[in-house]
Amino acid sequence: NAGVTQTPKFQVLKTGQSMTLQCAQDMNHEYMSWYRQDPGMGLRLIHYSVGAGITDQGEVPNGYNVSRSTTEDFPLRLLSAAPSQTSVYFCASSRDGSNQPQHFGDGTRLSIL
Amino acid sequence: GQSLEQPSEVTAVEGAIVQINCTYQTSGFYGLSWYQQHDGGAPTFLSYNALDGLEETGRFSSFLSRSDSYGYLLLQELQMKDSASYFCAVENRDDKIIFGKGTRLHILP
Repeated sequence: NAGVTQTPKFQVLKTGQSMTLQCAQDMNHEYMSWYRQDPGMGLRLIHYSVGAGITDQGEVPNGYNVSRSTTEDFPLRLLSAAPSQTSVYFCASSRDGSNQPQHFGDGTRLSIL
Repeated sequence: GQSLEQPSEVTAVEGAIVQINCTYQTSGFYGLSWYQQHDGGAPTFLSYNALDGLEETGRFSSFLSRSDSYGYLLLQELQMKDSASYFCAVENRDDKIIFGKGTRLHILP
């Protein structure tokens, strides 16, 4: 059982480049979300989705886009990377709605030069 | 807006009991969760409280007081492997799950 799979695990980008972080889950979970984690800042919610075709903004959505065309996949797009987006990104999913345990992927460590 | 406050660091001795507090402000409230994260790892779910009172899961217990907007995580019989960061998170009626900044737990032998 793979759970939540994030790819890539590490990435280095140059300022201005675009990139998509992939997230897939095989648990048929309706709820998916993206967080970024910076030292001393905890986990900050970027975007979330309560089901296929539905997305909404979290605490820090600027500079990021998401889509949810299928239940399984929830990619996060950086349109024009900036050094301030250097962070560890976690994708999470839960069964239905948000009042369920969140299952996290292993994270993507992203550096923007 | 929403905010959560928890201590940045706590130190305890192996075998002892430690309590990590969390106070929150949120518009609409469904429940309070706790997550553990070891260095370099992903957060893992520990517990969830939607109603007032104490929930016990093995050595870990979690408490919620909705009237006080307060909760805590209680870790008993501390082991060295419990050294990690612990996050409280609130779930609101907008389906958002917002995390605190985390408490780093140091355990002394």
